[in-house]
Amino acid sequence: GAGVSQSPSNKVTEKGKDVELRCDPISGHTALYWYRQSLGQGLEFLIYFQGNSAPDKSGLPSDRFSAERTGGSVSTLTIQRTQQEDSAVYLCASSLDPHLYFGPGTRLTVT
Amino acid sequence: TQLLEQSPQFLSIQEGENLTVYCNSSSVFSSLQWYRQEPGEGPVLLVTVVTGGEVKKLKRLTFQFGDARKDSSLHITAAQPGDTGLYLCAGARSDSWGKFQFGAGTQVVVTP
Repeated sequence: GAGVSQSPSNKVTEKGKDVELRCDPISGHTALYWYRQSLGQGLEFLIYFQGNSAPDKSGLPSDRFSAERTGGSVSTLTIQRTQQEDSAVYLCASSLDPHLYFGPGTRLTVT
Repeated sequence: TQLLEQSPQFLSIQEGENLTVYCNSSSVFSSLQWYRQEPGEGPVLLVTVVTGGEVKKLKRLTFQFGDARKDSSLHITAAQPGDTGLYLCAGARSDSWGKFQFGAGTQVVVTP
């Protein structure tokens, strides 16, 4: 069956522009996670959704970051006024149980 | 500061050798997972351990969860080039259900 998909796979943007990253979870998975992975670093937790609500937003680095999930399915992570330190791979994962299924990630480069 | 500390950061060995990767924390976890990540892909789950002292074997991989549920180890016997990858541990605490915290990872390179 289909796994978690993310789009775009690569995004290059200029500093100050807004970007939207999309995640399509595995059908039926109620939980959805966003992580950020910088070069040489582990995964940094950003936010997770249970259904359409986000019980824990504590990982969002600043108020430039926001995320939403609609219909208990697709999620978008929006970064406003991007900065160079936002450059990283943004990973999405979905889960029905404690097993996280990750997508391939979106590589964001801010120039 | 990482909640989960992994060591070593990098490990390069020859095919056929054994290796052990460690994951340590001062926090108690209700469950701990190990993932392997290859370049350009997301991490893939290898195992979940939930009971203190638990040992799980997956072919040549042996996972152990510490008695106090604060640490874990991954041992690979007779490593093969296909074992090359970034090994990540992730823990979930009972007071923050759903929030999996990851270690920085151990990059393992197995050369033929």
